[in-house]
Amino acid sequence: AQRVTQPEKLLSVFKGAPVELKCNYSYSGSPELFWYVQYSRQRLQLLLRHISRESIKGFTADLNKGETSFHLKKPFAQEEDSAMYYCALSTSLSGGYNKLIFGAGTRLAVHP
Amino acid sequence: DTGVSQNPRHKITKRGQNVTFRCDPISEHNRLYWYRQTLGQGPEFLTYFQNEAQLEKSRLLSDRFSAERPKGSFSTLEIQRTEQGDSAMYLCASSSGTGNTEAFFGQGTRLTVV
Repeated sequence: AQRVTQPEKLLSVFKGAPVELKCNYSYSGSPELFWYVQYSRQRLQLLLRHISRESIKGFTADLNKGETSFHLKKPFAQEEDSAMYYCALSTSLSGGYNKLIFGAGTRLAVHP
Repeated sequence: DTGVSQNPRHKITKRGQNVTFRCDPISEHNRLYWYRQTLGQGPEFLTYFQNEAQLEKSRLLSDRFSAERPKGSFSTLEIQRTEQGDSAMYLCASSSGTGNTEAFFGQGTRLTVV
């Protein structure tokens, strides 16, 4: 079955602390994984994708196929990082196009 | 705002009534998706359009749900005979090209069935 699991509903940290938001997936094919973020009163937007291997707003995520994980990390959290974070798996539809399967999300709260 | 636009933003309806939502994707985006998000959950895929063709429908989409994209531009999602379980946020997203291009989401339509 294709599934994305985010085990933590809420992650609460203090400003400057390291952050790790966990994501595990189940997929029989070659996965493409994403992190989406939703700030308060804003729309869902792409934060980063594993194939680009880039750092966005100080966040990185490494795909670990052995552990089927794609955890999101940031060494020093900022208050503006407070948001809802969703891990998503891209799966193929007919015709070679894709849909996203989302985890339930983790709310990150960064306190001053 | 040149992003994905959804209307209305909120809809309250009585059980049994029909409702229709509209999504205007980013212009020249040929792919359009509908998702549904209930409280405490991530978005769940409902259906996908490539231009005007509806190429995929989730099993979540019962017979009471229908979606169209008549000219390959805007799309509508209609729910007939609404039930309380239909209460959710309905999200539209669009993307362009082929392969795994970024999906851009609208702000959603929040449906409350009373």
